[in-house]
Amino acid sequence: GESVGLHLPTLSVQEGDNSIINCAYSNSASDYFIWYKQESGKGPQFIIDIRSNMDKRQGQRVTVLLNKTVKHLSLQIAATQPGDSAVYFCAEKERGYSTLTFGKGTMLLVSP
Amino acid sequence: ETGVTQTPRHLVMGMTNKKSLKCEQHLGHNAMYWYKQSAKKPLELMFVYNFKEQTENNSVPSRFSPECPNSSHLFLHLHTLQPEDSALYLCASSQEDSQNTEAFFGQGTRLTVV
Repeated sequence: GESVGLHLPTLSVQEGDNSIINCAYSNSASDYFIWYKQESGKGPQFIIDIRSNMDKRQGQRVTVLLNKTVKHLSLQIAATQPGDSAVYFCAEKERGYSTLTFGKGTMLLVSP
Repeated sequence: ETGVTQTPRHLVMGMTNKKSLKCEQHLGHNAMYWYKQSAKKPLELMFVYNFKEQTENNSVPSRFSPECPNSSHLFLHLHTLQPEDSALYLCASSQEDSQNTEAFFGQGTRLTVV
């Protein structure tokens, strides 16, 4: 699920499968990370966040993994459902700054 | 449903028109943001207001003019726009003095400049 040029990467899965969406970040000073979900015609919605003092955080059906060594963030969705179809964005915030920097997004398509 | 409300949801305007986008947040947050979302591009931060003071202006053309009359309301005044300004304009808010600083977004205004 890495961004390649101007094309939005797409991940297609079957209902019930587990999904993994990846995000690379470049700012080693970032200490807070968020995953957002954006459905068609809607604004981004918060899914889960993680601070740099953690490497894993779990929510309901979602898990975020943070690998600071390689500056990599992933979102795992268990038992993916058609309602999970959306564009997923990672966002990072640098220590001492108030604003988020967003990645380009990955489109998740879930077929029944 | 979201605590951030944007109006209008859709707007079509000519290049000589003047219009305004409105955002209202009901979350008691102290920071508000305007983002631009174009096709095939990441979300672009345009303006940040923290405690009603503008703290960031990311090289946005002067044809976009923000206004923040209080901590709950944010406007984006538009004039003499270009077709390339057509995009989804998203407002967001956050609480900047808290441990969790995730931004909450509105539904956006889909702007088309003709």
